[in-house]
Amino acid sequence: GNSVTQMEGPVTLSEEAFLTINCTYTATGYPSLFWYVQYPGEGLQLLLKATKADDKGSNKGFEATYRKETTSFHLEKGSVQVSDSAVYFCAPTRPYSGGGADGLTFGKGTHLIIQP
Amino acid sequence: SQTIHQWPATLVQPVGSPLSLECTVEGTSNPNLYWYRQAAGRGLQLLFYSVGIGQISSEVPQNLSASRPQDRQFILSSKKLLLSDSGFYLCAWIGSGSYEQYFGPGTRLTVT
Repeated sequence: GNSVTQMEGPVTLSEEAFLTINCTYTATGYPSLFWYVQYPGEGLQLLLKATKADDKGSNKGFEATYRKETTSFHLEKGSVQVSDSAVYFCAPTRPYSGGGADGLTFGKGTHLIIQP
Repeated sequence: SQTIHQWPATLVQPVGSPLSLECTVEGTSNPNLYWYRQAAGRGLQLLFYSVGIGQISSEVPQNLSASRPQDRQFILSSKKLLLSDSGFYLCAWIGSGSYEQYFGPGTRLTVT
């Protein structure tokens, strides 16, 4: 099955700093890759996605590139804001078993704290 | 547009009591539906998923069960809650032909 490795944190940065959250995965085949964000007390929101090698997903100033050769999907943002404080989850699709979509494999999440 | 609802938002239940959490999706038909639990460590554990009415797949043996009585309704149940059932329960759906998963607002369950 799939597995995901990402730093758990907390990762603490100052406002306007550059952000990188590393994500590496193991998977069979060629999964689609997602980043989700969870603000305190809320459900998860889709942040960005990439469906094939070398695709770059982007949204709200965040970017991540699907690197098949290194099985990585690192999340980056050039200048973070206090409002970016949240937990970020990396998630590849699970192997398709033929019985229907089997969902996503989630990492443990990276807690990001941005200080003013 | 599609929306997903969960209720209740928060719940405090004693050990040994029953549980019923409900999830409904609007604006789509025949979605794949999922129940996750998020314990205090923030990681997400997939509990159940369903590809159609009456079709439930269980990911881990546990004290919980799921049912899908209608196309857009997914219910998580327990006959007798354990302390270890405490957590944040999230329902999610995927539309046909897509891998993008959309989450509900969650139910915070505390078993005392």
